[in-house]
Amino acid sequence: DVKVTQSSRYLVKRTGEKVFLECVQDMDHENMFWYRQDPGLGLRLIYFSYDVKMKEKGDIPEGYSVSREKKERFSLILESASTNQTSMYLCASSLVYGYGYTFGSGTRLTVV
Amino acid sequence: QQPVQSPQAVILREGEDAVINCSSSKALYSVHWYRQKHGEAPVFLMILLKGGEQKGHDKISASFNEKKQQSSLYLTASQLSYSGTYFCGTERNAGNMLTFGGGTRLMVKP
Repeated sequence: DVKVTQSSRYLVKRTGEKVFLECVQDMDHENMFWYRQDPGLGLRLIYFSYDVKMKEKGDIPEGYSVSREKKERFSLILESASTNQTSMYLCASSLVYGYGYTFGSGTRLTVV
Repeated sequence: QQPVQSPQAVILREGEDAVINCSSSKALYSVHWYRQKHGEAPVFLMILLKGGEQKGHDKISASFNEKKQQSSLYLTASQLSYSGTYFCGTERNAGNMLTFGGGTRLMVKP
């Protein structure tokens, strides 16, 4: 089975800190995604990547950036964390478009 | 634009049936369905492509009405294990990323 691993399950950071969320997948998937999940809002796409060093903005990219230096790793960066970025962050990967996504277990980030 | 899911929540007794709907105002290429249990990652259930199709997955099946831009997820003879939040994800063109609905919380009671 494909495994998508997110480095931290829970994180607490201070306002203004630079935060790195790491995601690694082990099945050579081309596509990787970062979503944030908030109650009542479902999953909202922040960024996605369809190849190494390639990235596309999703619906809510403001305040975030991403890095994909290797095919298996996709990092989400909060340049200067703010309290409104407190959320559950989910990483996902898929083989190609038209296939289901495999999600990681999520990182619950609290910014204080 | 986010697809709209209905209902937002539903409570069932074991053995009862349920239907969850997912509607979009835009033409769709595909619809995905996922289930997320509390504290866990969303799990892929099935994908339906335009052309109007129906798929089955044990006692969980889904349809996609291309003309109405609507998909429905059918849960038959529900089991306790069906409890969770169901999300639809829509893709407007092949090669686009998924846009998810707000979710439908399903609770199955003994």
